[in-house]
Amino acid sequence: QVQLQQSGPGLVKPSQTLSLTCAISGDSVSSNSAAWNWIRQSPSGGLEWLGRTYHRSKWYRVYAASVRSRATINPDTSKNQFSLQLNSVTPEDTAVYYCARGPAQLAVWGQGILVTVSS
Amino acid sequence: QSVLTQPPSASGTPGQRVTISCSGSSSNIGSNNVNWYQQLPGTAPKLLISDNDQRPSGVPDRFSGSRSGTSASLAISGLQSDDEADYHCSAWDGSLNGWVFGGGTKLTVL
Repeated sequence: QVQLQQSGPGLVKPSQTLSLTCAISGDSVSSNSAAWNWIRQSPSGGLEWLGRTYHRSKWYRVYAASVRSRATINPDTSKNQFSLQLNSVTPEDTAVYYCARGPAQLAVWGQGILVTVSS
Repeated sequence: QSVLTQPPSASGTPGQRVTISCSGSSSNIGSNNVNWYQQLPGTAPKLLISDNDQRPSGVPDRFSGSRSGTSASLAISGLQSDDEADYHCSAWDGSLNGWVFGGGTKLTVL
């Protein structure tokens, strides 16, 4: 049974970098049949996909246009986890952040972390 | 503004059948499968319907999905109080090269 456990700070100051980690159990970040996603949910309630990483002979990273210039998703094979870094955050980045396993549907989700951007 | 369009709210009484619509375009629903997620208050979304009409193991057959053209719908029959939740539709968008979602529909059981 695949499980995802998220960690990271709940408060980030404007202009700084948001960093979150998603630890995987029951699967491998290097799996050739999985894709590892980040999604966020704003206070208004809508879900927004941020990007994903996956391994198919080599590593791929794909980002949503809305965050492409600021986001980095990296796998960590030594710890079997993947991470999200979002640079130059503003209050509009305040949201609950989720990691989730794909690729064809998001079948397993992390517990979510509320990240507030405030000074 | 969400790429897929859902009604913000829906309601029904116990035992009733309710449907929730999801409208998209040729680059998402029109060419890719639709998934539905149920989000109970204070929890992460849970996959409810995959590939338009498939129920993952453990999902009651009261929940069903369908897709036609660039629209999809979720039907819940025999409505129960613990069906109160937010429901989100989603599909892969080939033009945006990513997952897109509806804004979510809050279901109230009266």
